[in-house]
Amino acid sequence: QKEVEQNSGPLSVPEGAIASLNCTYSDRVSQSFFWYRQYSGKSPELIMSIYSNGDKEDGRFTAQLNKASQYVSLLIRDSQPSDSATYLCAVNGGSGTYKYIFGTGTRLKVLA
Amino acid sequence: GAVVSQHPSRVICKSGTSVKIECRSLDFQATTMFWYRQFPKKSLMLMATSNEGSKATYEQGVEKDKFLINHASLTLSTLTVTSAHPEDSSFYICSASIQGGPEQYFGPGTRLTVT
Repeated sequence: QKEVEQNSGPLSVPEGAIASLNCTYSDRVSQSFFWYRQYSGKSPELIMSIYSNGDKEDGRFTAQLNKASQYVSLLIRDSQPSDSATYLCAVNGGSGTYKYIFGTGTRLKVLA
Repeated sequence: GAVVSQHPSRVICKSGTSVKIECRSLDFQATTMFWYRQFPKKSLMLMATSNEGSKATYEQGVEKDKFLINHASLTLSTLTVTSAHPEDSSFYICSASIQGGPEQYFGPGTRLTVT
């Protein structure tokens, strides 16, 4: 069974700190990796996508992918209280399908 | 860009009735749309993959006769919950992929309450 695992948290960080969110996946053929942010009662919002090994930066967000170790992470610099949300890791299942396998999400709390 | 809308945002219906939820891609064509449901404090569960002009592909355990999906155009997919029961109460969310792309853009969701 293909799985995507995340620590459910909550992960608490002080305002201005770096929040580090991690995700591991089981299917080695996975090609595409995504981070979504979901506020309570709302739908997921795409933050980052990453397709190749290494780092990808977008503003305060950096996604890191290591296919050999089968993990993907998201760093949030200068964390703000408005970043408090659940962060979902999604992995494309490969095999010519665009279906996602979602992790259970990590709840992030940024303390003012 | 990449805006997906859903209608209605909230619906309350009586047990035994049917409810239709619409999902539209507003500024792009979506060859593929996905339907998810989410229970409180749980992750998203994929119900089905909807491809324009063909039958939807349902995930294991999802009743295709209960959750009817139609993807009649490149910008519209509908989910009909037939003979709804209280256990169908949930947050239903659709997503759409821009033609040829792996990224999914989510609609705002529909909160269904069956009384």
